[in-house]
Amino acid sequence: KAGVTQTPRYLIKTRGQQVTLSCSPISGHRSVSWYQQTPGQGLQFLFEYFSETQRNKGNFPGRFSGRQFSNSRSEMNVSTLELGDSALYLCASRVGQGPNEQFFGPGTRLTVL
Amino acid sequence: AQSVTQPDIHITVSEGASLELRCNYSYGATPYLFWYVQSPGQGLQLLLKYFSGDTLVQGIKGFEAEFKRSQSSFNLRKPSVHWSDAAEYFCAVQLHGSSNTGKLIFGQGTTLQVKP
Repeated sequence: KAGVTQTPRYLIKTRGQQVTLSCSPISGHRSVSWYQQTPGQGLQFLFEYFSETQRNKGNFPGRFSGRQFSNSRSEMNVSTLELGDSALYLCASRVGQGPNEQFFGPGTRLTVL
Repeated sequence: AQSVTQPDIHITVSEGASLELRCNYSYGATPYLFWYVQSPGQGLQLLLKYFSGDTLVQGIKGFEAEFKRSQSSFNLRKPSVHWSDAAEYFCAVQLHGSSNTGKLIFGQGTTLQVKP
């Protein structure tokens, strides 16, 4: 069974631009979560989607948004990029709600210049 | 506020030696507990998980972890470290309750270096 895939793997943008990252979960997984990883703040939860609905949201500004499609694929969008948005963005999928483990993709490395 | 603490930022062990990575959490109830490993430039790989039941859990790559409720700890152990174990290790908790489902709270990570 294929793992979680994320595209693109690397991205370079300039301040003020917007970016869209994509995540395809493991087949059969209906829940997708997004995390930001930076050297200073570590791994921080952005949001979770299940059945096309946002179920939980972390403490990030409204510039960070996401959505989930009927096939469980998810996208996250960051508008008006800031230098501090440079990070590794990780997507994780799990079967559904409740106690089950999350499987992570390789991440998208975003650099904002 | 809920938090996860990994007291050791960096650990160096000799190949073949035993390893213990510490993890403590702050939460009013027993959360779901996980250990992940991350190699440079890679995503996170799940090593093991604890939901309930037996407090000693076995994972992949010869790792195990023990949940101690009285100490709010979930320490990771391996009896004999291999050079390929060099990586960054993250402890994570998932809180109960509908508002928290799916949200993992991570520790700051412990970087493991293995000496030949």
